[in-house]
Amino acid sequence: QVQLQESGPGLVKPSETLSLTCSVFGGSITSDYWSWIRQPPGTGLEWIGYIYDSGSTIYNPSLKSRVAMSVDTSRNQFSLKLTSVTAADTAVYFCARTKGVGIGRWVDPWGQGILVTVSS
Amino acid sequence: SYELAQPPSVSVSPGQTATITCSGNNLGNKYASWYQQKPGQSPVLVIYQDTKRPSGIPERFSGSSSGNTVTLTIGGTQAMDEADYYCQAWDSSTVVFGGGTKLTVL
Repeated sequence: QVQLQESGPGLVKPSETLSLTCSVFGGSITSDYWSWIRQPPGTGLEWIGYIYDSGSTIYNPSLKSRVAMSVDTSRNQFSLKLTSVTAADTAVYFCARTKGVGIGRWVDPWGQGILVTVSS
Repeated sequence: SYELAQPPSVSVSPGQTATITCSGNNLGNKYASWYQQKPGQSPVLVIYQDTKRPSGIPERFSGSSSGNTVTLTIGGTQAMDEADYYCQAWDSSTVVFGGGTKLTVL
């Protein structure tokens, strides 16, 4: 049973870089896609992007200029960096596994989420 | 960018059938998944590839597809099913979520 756990600072200053790590337990990080998804308070889900174990990435076009993801297969972890944050980036950030092939992909399981607040 | 449209809210009486729709351009040629999210919790997959139910999800949850609309149906709705529900599809190698539907059981 794969489980995921997000970690990182809960408070980031405006214009700085948000950095989060997701640890994968109970399974290997290889041969799957790994996503970051966020949810601003009181609103819906926004996909940020995903990374494959090879390091190849696909990002949400609306965030692409500020996002970078990386993977560390030796530690079974993957990471998110979001630069030049503003209050609009305040959200619960989830890491999750993306399963399936081709057009039939789904997200499961999800981490518990970590609230990141952007404030001075 | 690709968009999925869901009704903001749906109400159902306990024991009745709840239906939540999700529509999108050319959705009939894609697969959709559904997630349940209760307050303060992370989303849980309840349907994937339009109609498949993960292990551990009650049989009262089912999915269907017709044209460019997919539907999540909850038969014999229980109070514990009150939650936000999100549809999701895969478009141009990106993950897209619908805006979510708040299901109220009253």
